[in-house]
Amino acid sequence: NAGVTQTPKFQVLKTGQSMTLQCAQDMNHEYMSWYRQDPGMGLRLIHYSVGAGITDQGEVPNGYNVSRSTTEDFPLRLLSAAPSQTSVYFCASRDSSYNSPLHFGNGTRLTVT
Amino acid sequence: GNSVTQMEGPVTLSEEAFLTINCTYTATGYPSLFWYVQYPGEGLQLLLKATKADDKGSNKGFEATYRKETTSFHLEKGSVQVSDSAVYFCALSEGWFSGGYNKLIFGAGTRLAVHP
Repeated sequence: NAGVTQTPKFQVLKTGQSMTLQCAQDMNHEYMSWYRQDPGMGLRLIHYSVGAGITDQGEVPNGYNVSRSTTEDFPLRLLSAAPSQTSVYFCASRDSSYNSPLHFGNGTRLTVT
Repeated sequence: GNSVTQMEGPVTLSEEAFLTINCTYTATGYPSLFWYVQYPGEGLQLLLKATKADDKGSNKGFEATYRKETTSFHLEKGSVQVSDSAVYFCALSEGWFSGGYNKLIFGAGTRLAVHP
């Protein structure tokens, strides 16, 4: 009963480095998404996908890339890390029924120095 | 655009106290409204929802009523426990993504700390 699994849990990067945050779900959900959580700002949508091969931008996409080659996996790539990307990142998925709840992973805490 | 405003925290209560966390929203049309809860070290999980005006969502002793006339969806619980300590997020659905998925807009979150 894994649900949504994110790795790593913690990461420290230097400015300019790149990395990939991994997200996998085992619920056969077509919809997957990435949010960042910052103090006082709630959750903001970075990118989302409504199925394999289909991705689109959310509210704050700059500096991030995504791809969706399988239903299960939805990695988030930071191309050149900046201190402004210090945040907690959540992956979430949901099924296709109306107003279905989002299922969240436990998050990745990223610090960029 | 659409938005959600929550009361600032932290909210600090003693066990068995009454809880209210205020949430108001700005939206066109008829959004659905949600409360999500985030326990320490975990992701968010759905607590309750209401899909139309005057609906009451309830779960685990928490309740919230969709009030269109006051554009509010306040979260209440009659007697909180230490285990309710968490961050609570109000959210609304708006519009549509491709594929028929509606968008969710989250408030900033309200931290609740319950002491024995």
